[in-house]
Amino acid sequence: SQQGEEDPQALSIQEGENATMNCSYKTSINNLQWYRQNSGRGLVHLILIRSNEREKHSGRLRVTLDTSKKSSSLLITASRAADTASYFCATDIEAGSYQLTFGKGTKLSVIP
Amino acid sequence: SAVISQKPSRDICQRGTSLTIQCQVDSQVTMMFWYRQQPGQSLTLIATANQGSEATYESGFVIDKFPISRPNLTFSTLTVSNMSPEDSSIYLCSVRTVTDTQYFGPGTRLTVL
Repeated sequence: SQQGEEDPQALSIQEGENATMNCSYKTSINNLQWYRQNSGRGLVHLILIRSNEREKHSGRLRVTLDTSKKSSSLLITASRAADTASYFCATDIEAGSYQLTFGKGTKLSVIP
Repeated sequence: SAVISQKPSRDICQRGTSLTIQCQVDSQVTMMFWYRQQPGQSLTLIATANQGSEATYESGFVIDKFPISRPNLTFSTLTVSNMSPEDSSIYLCSVRTVTDTQYFGPGTRLTVL
């Protein structure tokens, strides 16, 4: 069954705007990882955030984690056409299981 | 980080045949996995590839259909056996490093006619 659920399923914005994608999950996690996938290609790892962390940054990306609400968000600032892709969150559902469980993804379209 | 290569990158196969996908990573990793991504869907874990022993399969996946080998810490193969059109998917090799970061290969796009 799906552990993570991204919201929205699809998002269309203008270049230069910020894009926010949310991920909710059901059980306690060890960490949560965000990925980008360009049309039909492999997944690119973006950020790993651990359960004891609340926020991480990488370039134009900002990820937050709220374990009390079992949710995470990915913010892309000043979006570019090249950010057009599907974004997935994946959770480690317990320490030592080494199994990532993926959500269905958010399809982001950035219009030039 | 870990750099993963997969071969082939894509293939078109006939029903009833088998295809072996190779995965090579450029550094020693703790875990290797195989995932499947059906068209328009998210990723599903097929199995964990264990070095020198039988792979650990997830519910719905069996060794006869998806035999996996991992002879050393940096190489693994996945075979898709007796293929049917329902096996048309992207197959992705994945590795976990000591920092728990999990990386994915570029994927093998399989089409079964």
